[in-house]
Amino acid sequence: AQSVTQLGSHVSVSEGALVLLRCNYSSSVPPYLFWYVQYPNQGLQLLLKYTSAATLVKGINGFEAEFKKSETSFHLTKPSAHMSDAAEYFCAVGRGGYQKVTFGTGTKLQVIP
Amino acid sequence: DAGVTQSPTHLIKTRGQQVTLRCSPKSGHDTVSWYQQALGQGPQFIFQYYEEEERQRGNFPDRFSGHQFPNYSSELNVNALLLGDSALYLCASSLGQGDEKLFFGSGTQLSVL
Repeated sequence: AQSVTQLGSHVSVSEGALVLLRCNYSSSVPPYLFWYVQYPNQGLQLLLKYTSAATLVKGINGFEAEFKKSETSFHLTKPSAHMSDAAEYFCAVGRGGYQKVTFGTGTKLQVIP
Repeated sequence: DAGVTQSPTHLIKTRGQQVTLRCSPKSGHDTVSWYQQALGQGPQFIFQYYEEEERQRGNFPDRFSGHQFPNYSSELNVNALLLGDSALYLCASSLGQGDEKLFFGSGTQLSVL
């Protein structure tokens, strides 16, 4: 079975501050890991994915995530928060070849001016 | 290039009724997956269709069924609606069963009264 746990359902940061959203995974096989973003009244958009290549993955909008096998973590970071980053972020785990991607419960990011 | 489109955007039903939700995948995509996103939760995998057959299924009862048409569009049917079926239903498409990158529609918000 595979699962992800997102620590913190709500995170608030000041504009220009570091964004850190935490995700830990559980998988019996080497995982594929994803971060998706959901803006209000919209579907999910892929930010980045890890598929066993480089452990530091760069995504869209300045986000990146680092796969740490020893910590079973895949935390999402962005050096400087922008107001437009306010959204809900979902960590997900899946295995290539199938689309039974398992999502976490999400973290709502608030950016304070 | 049209993305994933879902219809209707909102729907209100009463307990015991049946509902059909529709999805057109992104141009060129041949695989469709359906997810249920309850309020405050992450998306839960319902099932996946590829080559007009259900290929993967999540932990949902048989009241949830689907169909994929030759043009790759898909329907999700839910019978004997329960209050707990109220949720945002998301459709995601991709190219080929082996492509883990999902493109999501904006969803159908179903309310069961």
